[in-house]
Amino acid sequence: DTGVSQNPRHKITKRGQNVTFRCDPISEHNRLYWYRQTLGQGPEFLTYFQNEAQLEKSRLLSDRFSAERPKGSFSTLEIQRTEQGDSAMYLCASSHRDARNNQPQHFGDGTRLSIL
Amino acid sequence: RKEVEQDPGPFNVPEGATVAFNCTYSNSASQSFFWYRQDCRKEPKLLMSVYSSGNEDGRFTAQLNRASQYISLLIRDSKLSDSATYLCVVNTGGGFQKLVFGTGTRLLVSP
Repeated sequence: DTGVSQNPRHKITKRGQNVTFRCDPISEHNRLYWYRQTLGQGPEFLTYFQNEAQLEKSRLLSDRFSAERPKGSFSTLEIQRTEQGDSAMYLCASSHRDARNNQPQHFGDGTRLSIL
Repeated sequence: RKEVEQDPGPFNVPEGATVAFNCTYSNSASQSFFWYRQDCRKEPKLLMSVYSSGNEDGRFTAQLNRASQYISLLIRDSKLSDSATYLCVVNTGGGFQKLVFGTGTRLLVSP
């Protein structure tokens, strides 16, 4: 399977714990995106990487959230001191870079986070 | 006001029916437009891009009206397998493809 891979698929943790998710994009894609989706809503943009550089962060990404893409390949999203409001599906997407920004984003299956 | 607005539905239609979804967006500088499909508890998948001239892909037709900031999706001859949530998506640009999703319109096709 050469699609976007995310793990774990599900994470259940107690409030206040730290969690880390991993995303492996399609290998030749240099753009990587993180989104959050809650029930009944569409995905909301969190952050964007071009290669290893984090070029944009949404105001949704509080200081408890940090994302990295150290070698321009896989990415991690860490949430510190989790709160119940963090419960959501966290989606990763990747795409080629092109001059017109028209290359489609391919999504992974997501990591479903439940905070007890 | 949300940046991308859609009727959440659900739209309940029989097999073979034609169904249309509409969407409006608020950012007049938006650069490109898409419809994504999302099955229950699955990831969104690109259904089709939407062009100003209108475009068709089999049973699916998408249209864009930039003046009215309005996007539509028409599905003809609905199949049971079309049951899903259809997400209207706008690229608000800014040097990369920054996607803003609507809440989605749920479609249920029944036998």
